[in-house]
Amino acid sequence: ILNVEQSPQSLHVQEGDSTNFTCSFPSSNFYALHWYRWETAKSPEALFVMTLNGDEKKKGRISATLNTKEGYSYLYIKGSQPEDSATYLCASAYSGGGADGLTFGKGTHLIIQP
Amino acid sequence: DAGVTQSPTHLIKTRGQQVTLRCSPKSGHDTVSWYQQALGQGPQFIFQYYEEEERQRGNFPDRFSGHQFPNYSSELNVNALLLGDSALYLCASSLDRRGLTAFFGQGTRLTVV
Repeated sequence: ILNVEQSPQSLHVQEGDSTNFTCSFPSSNFYALHWYRWETAKSPEALFVMTLNGDEKKKGRISATLNTKEGYSYLYIKGSQPEDSATYLCASAYSGGGADGLTFGKGTHLIIQP
Repeated sequence: DAGVTQSPTHLIKTRGQQVTLRCSPKSGHDTVSWYQQALGQGPQFIFQYYEEEERQRGNFPDRFSGHQFPNYSSELNVNALLLGDSALYLCASSLDRRGLTAFFGQGTRLTVV
């Protein structure tokens, strides 16, 4: 059974501060790593998908890095704003027989305090 | 483009009943995956449909079954409902089996009483 871990579980950050959180995943047969942003009562919104070791992606104030050899990814938010409050999910995908969908972590619940 | 739409948004059922959830994929997407998110957990893969066939399946009992129609829309059926089936059910559509292009719906909140 694949296990994707996210830390911390929840995070309170002051508006304007920068923050980051972690996703760790099994690296064997790794294919891709996804980050989603999920606001209450909305659909999970795809932020990034990364496949190569050393990949770095950026979207506005949010960026992500990927280390497939050691099995982790970081998500960074620069200058947090109240609208960044959401749950951030990471999910990994694998190649090989079965390839059973995306394996999600439990998410990091981020609250930005004005 | 309406994106991925799911219906109904909320549903209450009694133990032992059967339920059908529906999903319309994003325009042009031919692959539909279903996920179950129980309280406090991350979404868990149920199964994936492509060309009207179940292509992959997660660790869920046979009480969970599905269907995909020629227009790529999909249904998730759960028989003999248990209290533990109470969860948010998410549908994701994509252009590829590995979900590199996956878009999610808002989910159906199922409560079993």
